Amino acid sequence: GENVEQHPSTLSVQEGDSAVIKCTYSDSASNYFPWYKQELGKRPQLIIDIRSNVGEKKDQRIAVTLNKTAKHFSLHITETQPEDSAVYFCAATEGGGADGLTFGKGTHLIIQP
Amino acid sequence: DAGVIQSPRHEVTEMGQEVTLRCKPISGHDYLFWYRQTMMRGLELLIYFNNNVPIDDSGMPEDRFSAKMPNASFSTLKIQPSEPRDSAVYFCASSFLLAGGSGQFFGPGTRLTVL
Repeated sequence: GENVEQHPSTLSVQEGDSAVIKCTYSDSASNYFPWYKQELGKRPQLIIDIRSNVGEKKDQRIAVTLNKTAKHFSLHITETQPEDSAVYFCAATEGGGADGLTFGKGTHLIIQP
Repeated sequence: DAGVIQSPRHEVTEMGQEVTLRCKPISGHDYLFWYRQTMMRGLELLIYFNNNVPIDDSGMPEDRFSAKMPNASFSTLKIQPSEPRDSAVYFCASSFLLAGGSGQFFGPGTRLTVL
């Protein structure tokens, strides 16, 4: 089955700086890669996703890149703000998102004022 | 437009009792997923349905767990008998696949504590 590794487990950045979270996956059949943001005591919220037919996708301050050859994908957050503080999870699956997700262990992003 | 609805939000029970968690997916979504979140194991898939039919239940921990989806707007996850190690937050999520798919949207979760 799929295995997703996520790094780092904790990331502290100054407000206004950029943050990068990286994930690797093991199953070459995976073709859908979402990212979720989870605040303490809340549900995971889908913030961006990418499918294997594109290499990069951007939505305002958030971007995701995908390298299928190396089987890794990354989340980039620019101009970080205090409200970006949360735990971020990457995930992977095949079937274009019609299968269950395999999640990474999460990255606790701390934005220092 | 209502998102995924789960009930109860919190459940405290004693070991050996039956627990039933409920989920109403987003209207029009044809996939429904049950996930469990713990500090030790993170977020893990338990089972998912497509058009009310179970597709993959390989993540269900053992026979004490069962899930049903009697219609497109309702699903249950039952634990009988419950054990302290079942304590976790249980999330339901839904999605649709047509036109590129919607992504999976999570409900607020049920925090289960088994004493």
